[in-house]
Amino acid sequence: DSGVTQTPKHLITATGQRVTLRCSPRSGDLSVYWYQQSLDQGLQFLIQYYNGEERAKGNILERFSAQQFPDLHSELNLSSLELGDSALYFCASSVQGASYNEQFFGPGTRLTVL
Amino acid sequence: GNSVTQMEGPVTLSEEAFLTINCTYTATGYPSLFWYVQYPGEGLQLLLKATKADDKGSNKGFEATYRKETTSFHLEKGSVQVSDSAVYFCALSEELADNDMRFGAGTRLTVKP
Repeated sequence: DSGVTQTPKHLITATGQRVTLRCSPRSGDLSVYWYQQSLDQGLQFLIQYYNGEERAKGNILERFSAQQFPDLHSELNLSSLELGDSALYFCASSVQGASYNEQFFGPGTRLTVL
Repeated sequence: GNSVTQMEGPVTLSEEAFLTINCTYTATGYPSLFWYVQYPGEGLQLLLKATKADDKGSNKGFEATYRKETTSFHLEKGSVQVSDSAVYFCALSEELADNDMRFGAGTRLTVKP
């Protein structure tokens, strides 16, 4: 158990819908990262937040957005969903903002878009 | 930009065989290098890391040496076990560049008894 929690574990929805994925980092970690893992794209970095502020952006689509709240939990919002958005979404956390710090991964949310 | 290339799988070995998973990288500066492991149904876990040239990371019998001259960080284990069956990801991170972790495509290892 990494100490990072993600909810829900599974999510099934239809195209065009909007969903919110939630992540709680390890106690004391200030930085949260979101990743998408799919069979064809592999593991892709989406976005990083550090202590409530956006720190780095990766291959995140404009239909996707994220935020980190004062209690440091984070949410990833996916809208206008397409079939290709079906993937595993991982959240990771680390103590500091630098991505070379060890990242602790949650168990992931499996999103299926029908 | 920064990138990581690792050997394609899947790799299937017998128990107690020697394991090598190749990883090479491209970076503009001096990245930190990582190996993560993903067991079935779980998130990624850090296996080992190295932060500068010639550093050797090691954990659970796995080793990898940061080779700047060959831009490589190959993962090795002398004697694999069935419990090592997992997907292994090589990754790099360079804070001064773009501050995100770049992962390789992953190599699936299956160890048979």
